[in-house]
Amino acid sequence: DTGVSQDPRHKITKRGQNVTFRCDPISEHNRLYWYRQTLGQGPEFLTYFQNEAQLEKSRLLSDRFSAERPKGSFSTLEIQRTEQGDSAMYLCASSPFTDTQYFGPGTRLTVL
Amino acid sequence: GENVEQHPSTLSVQEGDSAVIKCTYSDSASNYFPWYKQELGKRPQLIIDIRSNVGEKKDQRIAVTLNKTAKHFSLHITETQPEDSAVYFCAASSQTGANNLFFGTGTRLTVIP
Repeated sequence: DTGVSQDPRHKITKRGQNVTFRCDPISEHNRLYWYRQTLGQGPEFLTYFQNEAQLEKSRLLSDRFSAERPKGSFSTLEIQRTEQGDSAMYLCASSPFTDTQYFGPGTRLTVL
Repeated sequence: GENVEQHPSTLSVQEGDSAVIKCTYSDSASNYFPWYKQELGKRPQLIIDIRSNVGEKKDQRIAVTLNKTAKHFSLHITETQPEDSAVYFCAASSQTGANNLFFGTGTRLTVIP
């Protein structure tokens, strides 16, 4: 499968723990996005990378969230001190130098 | 920022009938409007998109129309089939900055065999 991949697909954690998700974009896609989707809602933008540079962050991205894309390929999203309100599907999307975004399968986070 | 509204939230049609989903947006700078289909537990899949220099685009049974003056766009599915049952999301973005997508709240389409 040459599409966007994400790992893990599911994560259950206890409140207060740290979690890290990984996204592998489509090869040679220089743009990478993280979105969050809660039940019954559309995805909401969190942050954007162009190559290794994080160029934009949403106000939704509190200081407990950090994202990296160290070599301009895969990206990680870390949530520190998780809260129950962080429970959601975290989606990654990648794009070449166009506006079309291709989504990964998501990581479903459950915070107990 | 951009605000995208989508209607209806649920839609049931008989197999073979047409389905129409409508979206409005608020930011006149938006110029790219994709539609995604999301089946339960799966990734959003792009099914069709339209750019602001085009008023209508068709791909087999799926068509999208755009009215920039009124700031609304619509998805039309003809000859619906049970496999069309899913949640459909409209989105909008501008070509500035991150090009991030602003999504509607989704329409759950059920095609009754």
